[in-house]
Amino acid sequence: KQEVTQIPAALSVPEGENLVLNCSFTDSAIYNLQWFRQDPGKGLTSLLLIQSSQREQTSGRLNASLDKSSGRSTLYIAASQPGDSATYLCAVMNSGYSTLTFGKGTMLLVSP
Amino acid sequence: NAGVTQTPKFRVLKTGQSMTLLCAQDMNHEYMYWYRQDPGMGLRLIHYSVGEGTTAKGEVPDGYNVSRLKKQNFLLGLESAAPSQTSVYFCASRSGTGGGYGYTFGSGTRLTVV
Repeated sequence: KQEVTQIPAALSVPEGENLVLNCSFTDSAIYNLQWFRQDPGKGLTSLLLIQSSQREQTSGRLNASLDKSSGRSTLYIAASQPGDSATYLCAVMNSGYSTLTFGKGTMLLVSP
Repeated sequence: NAGVTQTPKFRVLKTGQSMTLLCAQDMNHEYMYWYRQDPGMGLRLIHYSVGEGTTAKGEVPDGYNVSRLKKQNFLLGLESAAPSQTSVYFCASRSGTGGGYGYTFGSGTRLTVV
């Protein structure tokens, strides 16, 4: 059974810092890995999708990497802003019927 | 383009009552999913569908039933609600197989069973 772990569970940083969120998974037979953002009481917004054959994806200040063989992914946020405060979820898409297995998330607070 | 729409957004049920949550997508996606999100547990898959008329069980299917009579709609039913089903329910859809296709999520239904 696929298991996804996110570290740290919570992170508080001052505005402007660069930061890294970590995600690890136990079964490397995945189609892709997605990073989502969730604001309190809201739904999930897809940030980045990395296919299993790719090493990284970038969108603006966000960069996500994938090392499938070691079962690890990182989400790098450059020059953090208070608007980045949210919970960040990592999810791997399992082979077969493409179901997602989620980590429990990292709650990020960026202070002005 | 509405994407994935869930109704209702909020609901309070009494133990033993039944209800149906509706998920509708306008993207002609084949795959649809129901997840529940609970504090400390993350999101867990309840049921999913790989096409019109097909459904399958996920990780936590007990106490729920689903139907996919039309391609654009995926219904989640609670026949006899229990307090343990208090949760936030998310529907998602996906257009096809392969690693290049991501998920699109609805905004969620917050259900409280008292």
